[in-house]
Amino acid sequence: DADVTQTPRNRITKTGKRIMLECSQTKGHDRMYWYRQDPGLGLQLIYYSFDVKDINKGEISDGYSVSRQAQAKFSLSLESAIPNQTALYFCATSDPWGDYTFGSGTRLTVV
Amino acid sequence: ELKVEQNPLFLSMQEGKNYTIYCNYSTTSDRLYWYRQDPGKSLESLFVLLSNGAVKQEGRLMASLDTKARLSTLHITAAVHDLSATYFCAVDMNFGNEKLTFGTGTRLTIIP
Repeated sequence: DADVTQTPRNRITKTGKRIMLECSQTKGHDRMYWYRQDPGLGLQLIYYSFDVKDINKGEISDGYSVSRQAQAKFSLSLESAIPNQTALYFCATSDPWGDYTFGSGTRLTVV
Repeated sequence: ELKVEQNPLFLSMQEGKNYTIYCNYSTTSDRLYWYRQDPGKSLESLFVLLSNGAVKQEGRLMASLDTKARLSTLHITAAVHDLSATYFCAVDMNFGNEKLTFGTGTRLTIIP
């Protein structure tokens, strides 16, 4: 099994729908992150969490929310999806010494 | 606010040639990362550079870090087609506030 598992791998949804992307990790790390990648661009940080009770906004949090259900689980929600949220979404986890592990990504298309 | 800039954004080079990708960042940081990404795929970790003057090499790729200049380089030696990918540098904030800030990436195409 992968260290960081993202579900679904691909999703097409309609404008205005609520959608949740899920991430689980088996590394035992406290730190988890959600990034967004637009075509031809680098990754931008949406939200991050340093432990279950600690949630922080990243560079581009507008239109997104997160839930840290447990140390191993960190979900990203789009409350009302819009087309410009079409992107590749990555979840990651890290230890305190900067060892990052990324998931395989979720390709989201909003039509 | 930490900013990370890479250049060039696009690089097309012939097999067998050498080239360098540059990564500049705007504030003091503890760690500098290089990643490779193939189209539609996740990130593959290449190097983590932790201190001034650090140099790491793996095959045809060599990364270095100059913290005083806030500059890292990724040097490609005798390029081969398999190295075609997008390469990202990323910088970690200081200890206790770890989160990666990425450059925009360099799309490298190796022409046979």
